[in-house]
Amino acid sequence: GAGVSQSPRYKVAKRGQDVALRCDPISGHVSLFWYQQALGQGPEFLTYFQNEAQLDKSGLPSDRFFAERPEGSVSTLKIQRTQQEDSAVYLCASSLGGQSYGYTFGSGTRLTVV
Amino acid sequence: TQLLEQSPQFLSIQEGENLTVYCNSSSVFSSLQWYRQEPGEGPVLLVTVVTGGEVKKLKRLTFQFGDARKDSSLHITAAQPGDTGLYLCAGRLTGGGNKLTFGTGTQLKVEL
Repeated sequence: GAGVSQSPRYKVAKRGQDVALRCDPISGHVSLFWYQQALGQGPEFLTYFQNEAQLDKSGLPSDRFFAERPEGSVSTLKIQRTQQEDSAVYLCASSLGGQSYGYTFGSGTRLTVV
Repeated sequence: TQLLEQSPQFLSIQEGENLTVYCNSSSVFSSLQWYRQEPGEGPVLLVTVVTGGEVKKLKRLTFQFGDARKDSSLHITAAQPGDTGLYLCAGRLTGGGNKLTFGTGTQLKVEL
């Protein structure tokens, strides 16, 4: 596609519910990143894939967070037993790879845990 | 503690004024980028700088990478309401691979 597509755009979850957030990157982009962003703040790194390999998951805040990219294209970020502190915008970005390339971000999924 | 500190955090100015946003760190970055983000959207890349001391211009925006590659600045000349947004610097740490570390953000509002 022309850009990075994220779904859903908005998600309201009850505390304790599991959620799954989807990211469809730009075709051919080998690198895929997940970030968490609080209102008015810079995005915080969660995890990074190169093709289907998860190379860095150091930013995942707890073992309730899990990400996968089984075929090296679409990725899913799953949050189990959601807590109120999980409320944030979750951004996905893709890149051609290599340090000189920038990221193309999706519009994000706004998760609200009530 | 944030690796990349931006200042100021908020900036509200009148159309036509000039402004500078700073991005500082004690760490060395192999490259640094600036993004602009509007409400409800993801950040959009403005520029990439890779060489210490490098200066890049994008119309009314001037970006500079510090000589030691630890800091950067963004200068906007004659700001316009369309410049309103959240400005983010982001860097790749030397030896840190492809991961971008984002700054704390500067919220700019330009009023008529």
